[in-house]
Amino acid sequence: AAGVIQSPRHLIKEKRETATLKCYPIPRHDTVYWYQQGPGQDPQFLISFYEKMQSDKGSIPDRFSAQQFSDYHSELNMSSLELGDSALYFCASSSRLAGSTDTQYFGPGTRLTVL
Amino acid sequence: QKEVEQDPGPLSVPEGAIVSLNCTYSNSAFQYFMWYRQYSRKGPELLMYTYSSGNKEDGRFTAQVDKSSKYISLFIRDSQPSDSATYLCAMSPNAGGTSYGKLTFGQGTILTVHP
Repeated sequence: AAGVIQSPRHLIKEKRETATLKCYPIPRHDTVYWYQQGPGQDPQFLISFYEKMQSDKGSIPDRFSAQQFSDYHSELNMSSLELGDSALYFCASSSRLAGSTDTQYFGPGTRLTVL
Repeated sequence: QKEVEQDPGPLSVPEGAIVSLNCTYSNSAFQYFMWYRQYSRKGPELLMYTYSSGNKEDGRFTAQVDKSSKYISLFIRDSQPSDSATYLCAMSPNAGGTSYGKLTFGQGTILTVHP
């Protein structure tokens, strides 16, 4: 079965640079979530989109922005990168169609390292 | 205090043992409960999903929810070395609310099953 695809898998950036992370949800999933997981930490919710509209916002810095496109893929844009942004970034997708459970399935993650 | 508290472990058991993983929560809005397994440097993999108090069994795994005590557990029977991973409990609120779907995770329990 198709899973959530994230690209790139690894990214190395310098401080103050910009990064763009991409997420391709499971086909026919209409909802995308972004999470940040620091070393030894549990995943922290950043932001979510349902049918291309932002549906909820968590602890996402103002330097970060995200959107969901017409094909349901999502991009997380991170500017003015800081050392503390080094983490695993996970995308998850789910379906909110009637009868679904909105169960979230996670991608393999993008490991961002800021030097 | 975190909304979801999970016994941090680490937990080390012999092959074949029964493993018990536990989480407590404080937010009464949580109605959906999940257990994820995460191998090192990989995305969380959904193991169990439930929304009602009681037990739900799937193979060697049993998820137990007690909403009155705000307590959930995951039991693993006949544990195998391949079960060695970090186990994360996760919860989300009622359907329809603005935070619907947003997962709040426990800190994770590192489990090692040795042959």
